[in-house]
Amino acid sequence: GDSVTQMEGPVTLSEEAFLTINCTYTATGYPSLFWYVQYPGEGLQLLLKATKADDKGSNKGFEATYRKETTSFHLEKGSVQVSDSAVYFCALLPFGNEKLTFGTGTRLTIIP
Amino acid sequence: EAGVAQSPRYKIIEKRQSVAFWCNPISGHATLYWYQQILGQGPKLLIQFQNNGVVDDSQLPKDRFSAERLKGVDSTLKIQPAKLEDSAVYLCASSVTGGNSPLHFGNGTRLTVT
Repeated sequence: GDSVTQMEGPVTLSEEAFLTINCTYTATGYPSLFWYVQYPGEGLQLLLKATKADDKGSNKGFEATYRKETTSFHLEKGSVQVSDSAVYFCALLPFGNEKLTFGTGTRLTIIP
Repeated sequence: EAGVAQSPRYKIIEKRQSVAFWCNPISGHATLYWYQQILGQGPKLLIQFQNNGVVDDSQLPKDRFSAERLKGVDSTLKIQPAKLEDSAVYLCASSVTGGNSPLHFGNGTRLTVT
């Protein structure tokens, strides 16, 4: 079945460090891929998405590129801030299906 | 626009008791979802409604969980009787039409079963 594997956390970085959170997926066909973020005490929010191979999603300085050849959708940010501290979830939506499948989440803590 | 509203925010019950959660989606959103998020895991879809009809409830433990969306707007999720393993955050989400439409999540209800 369809699945998402995320880099295990927690991840702790200093402010202004470079961030990568790895995400790989298993799916038939051509799924859409998403990153959701959950700030402390809040609900999940869509951070960015990509719907086809080689698409790059970007938002708030975060980027992720849909790589079909490596079945990956790694999240990157060049310079993180304390306000980026949150749990990040990679998710996929199979083509022709409305069932969003999430990874286990990666907790990110940024220290000043 | 107002977001997805959920209540209560927290609930503590004993095993074998019953509990109900309420969700009011964003106005105009036809599709409503209930997810279960166990600590350390990603959210898992329990049930999806399109207006007041069920689209997918394949992962809903129907012997103890039930959900309804009678008028195609707000929804309730009930657990009766609760088990220890039901301790989780229950998330409600809505979208305009489902499919590739982005999901908007509520803040969730944290359930603790003792």
